[in-house]
Amino acid sequence: DIQMTQSPSSLSASVGDRVTITCRASQSIRSFLNWYQQRPGKAPKLLIYAASSLQSGVPSRFSGSGSGTDFTLTISSLQPEDFATYYCQQSYSTPLYTFGQGTKLEIK
Amino acid sequence: EVQLVESGGGLVQPGGSLRLSCAASGFTVSSNYMTWVRQAPGKGLEWVSVIYTGGTTHYADSVKGRFTISRDNSKNTLYLQMNSLRAEDTAVYYCARADDSSAYELDYWGQGTLVTVSS
Repeated sequence: DIQMTQSPSSLSASVGDRVTITCRASQSIRSFLNWYQQRPGKAPKLLIYAASSLQSGVPSRFSGSGSGTDFTLTISSLQPEDFATYYCQQSYSTPLYTFGQGTKLEIK
Repeated sequence: EVQLVESGGGLVQPGGSLRLSCAASGFTVSSNYMTWVRQAPGKGLEWVSVIYTGGTTHYADSVKGRFTISRDNSKNTLYLQMNSLRAEDTAVYYCARADDSSAYELDYWGQGTLVTVSS
């Protein structure tokens, strides 16, 4: 099975900061990498699909990059509503939709 | 508008059974890959099961042989039959649609339904 490892597990930042979260796959997943945001008590929300495509309706301050085994999610200027937990997910070896362990983004 | 609404969660004793439902609107369940994902209290996301458009099903090892995913095309509803439930199955269960025209990303999610397995 493909393992997904996110770093860091938690992150403190301020409004206006630029933030980067990293996700590494245990083997190449080409560009089959998706990012989700989850606010407390809410369902996950798709942000980025296919490594770098912005889901409709998602603010342009969110961006994704990478291919193969190494991927990043960048938030260019943090807004108050961005403080949440972020998950990467590989969809290369379907049916096993492996998720990363999550990165909790907190207010500094 | 695409919408997914789960129901059927609740408190069940270890060894018991429960059936979750996911009513879809705004799209056709049978024309899409559909999945179940769960989240134990305070933990991360865990994929549980998928059903393809052709009806093929797959399961995580943790639920294989105990859970069954299915759909009712006439009701446009996805189901998860859960048998032989264990304490470690306690979680919020989400249904989600996978976009099989792209990268199989989970583009729409339900609000979740809580399953608690406890005596």
